[in-house]
Amino acid sequence: AQSVTQLGSHVSVSEGALVLLRCNYSSSVPPYLFWYVQYPNQGLQLLLKYTSAATLVKGINGFEAEFKKSETSFHLTKPSAHMSDAAEYFCAVILKGTGRRALTFGSGTRLQVQP
Amino acid sequence: NAGVMQNPRHLVRRRGQEARLRCSPMKGHSHVYWYRQLPEEGLKFMVYLQKENIIDESGMPKERFSAEFPKEGPSILRIQQVVRGDSAAYFCASSPLNPGQETQYFGPGTRLLVL
Repeated sequence: AQSVTQLGSHVSVSEGALVLLRCNYSSSVPPYLFWYVQYPNQGLQLLLKYTSAATLVKGINGFEAEFKKSETSFHLTKPSAHMSDAAEYFCAVILKGTGRRALTFGSGTRLQVQP
Repeated sequence: NAGVMQNPRHLVRRRGQEARLRCSPMKGHSHVYWYRQLPEEGLKFMVYLQKENIIDESGMPKERFSAEFPKEGPSILRIQQVVRGDSAAYFCASSPLNPGQETQYFGPGTRLLVL
């Protein structure tokens, strides 16, 4: 069974500091991987996705993520946090080759940005 | 290009009433997915539909919940005889038909409150 683990339900950084949000997946076949962001009382916005092309994926708002097969990880980073980055971030997967298209989400990481 | 539309954005129902949630996918998208976000929990897949077909309903509760995506009009998620535990945010997502186009785009959600 596929699963997604996000380490750290809450992460707090200072404005201008590096953002690192962790995501590990459990699957024998590298899945499609996604990061979504959710602002309070809003829907989910796609930040970036990995679909077996380049392992370093650049997304919107200065975020990027690196797929590491050996570590089964897809951590999200941003070099310099901005106050507007405060939100909840979800890592999600779709397992390839099963015909299933449902996203399986991690439990989410709430990012706080301190001034 | 309009995004995924959901209405109503907020819905209040008393226990025992019916709730109908509507979702219009992005233009050109023929796949619709429903997810539920319970308070303090992550997002869970409920059902995946194409026009006039339910493809995967593995996440749907066995009773009181149903979904449809008719040939014309929006997709409907219907909850009969609502209970307090149904209070949650319900998100719809859509994706294109093309194989390999796995990205799902989310609507703003319907927040259901059962009194």
